[in-house]
Amino acid sequence: EIVLTQSPGTLSLSPGERATLSCRASQSVSNTYLAWYQQKPGQAPRLLIYGVSSRATGIPDRFSGSGSGTDFTLTISRLEPEDFAVYYCQQYGGSPLYTFGQGTKLEIK
Amino acid sequence: QVQLQESGPGLVKPSGTLSLTCAVSGASISDNNWWSWIRQPPGKGLEWIGEIYHSGSTNYNPSLKSRVTISVDKSKNQFSLNLNSVTAADTAVYYCARNQGSEAGNWFDPWGQGTLVTVSS
Repeated sequence: EIVLTQSPGTLSLSPGERATLSCRASQSVSNTYLAWYQQKPGQAPRLLIYGVSSRATGIPDRFSGSGSGTDFTLTISRLEPEDFAVYYCQQYGGSPLYTFGQGTKLEIK
Repeated sequence: QVQLQESGPGLVKPSGTLSLTCAVSGASISDNNWWSWIRQPPGKGLEWIGEIYHSGSTNYNPSLKSRVTISVDKSKNQFSLNLNSVTAADTAVYYCARNQGSEAGNWFDPWGQGTLVTVSS
């Protein structure tokens, strides 16, 4: 099983600041099979990034993804009030086919 | 746009069977997509349960495989989840989602709103 470990567990920042969220895999992730989701309280997760760095439809360009192999990063260039939420990374491949990280909570400082 | 809606009992007794249905609108379940169930225990992270293709082919999470059945009803444009021998550990919000994939990978979009299932006597 490919285990995804996200850090930090909680990130406290202010609007306008830059956020850097990490997702580390226990073994190399196949090709570009990594995605990121945003989840707000009481809502379903929303796709932000797929294929490591491709933004989903309607996602602002302040969100960007990067990385390869076992180390991946989600960057939010300038935080807006609506960006404070929990973020999950997800990989495809191996057994089970899909696994998620445990999440990073981005909270207002 | 594509929308998914989960339905089913919100309360299941221990040792019973959890049964949920996901109705798909705005797309045909016979399109070239897999369809998944994902769950999230209260206050915790996400766990993929399994997926189905319109042909009936399935893949399951090995940790749940012995208790899970996912089926598809093309005539109703929906797919279903059965999880048997449930315990309190199966209490969670259950989501259905459309799998999407390309050479860039595989991901879930969109998701249903989710439905909370509580296992309790």
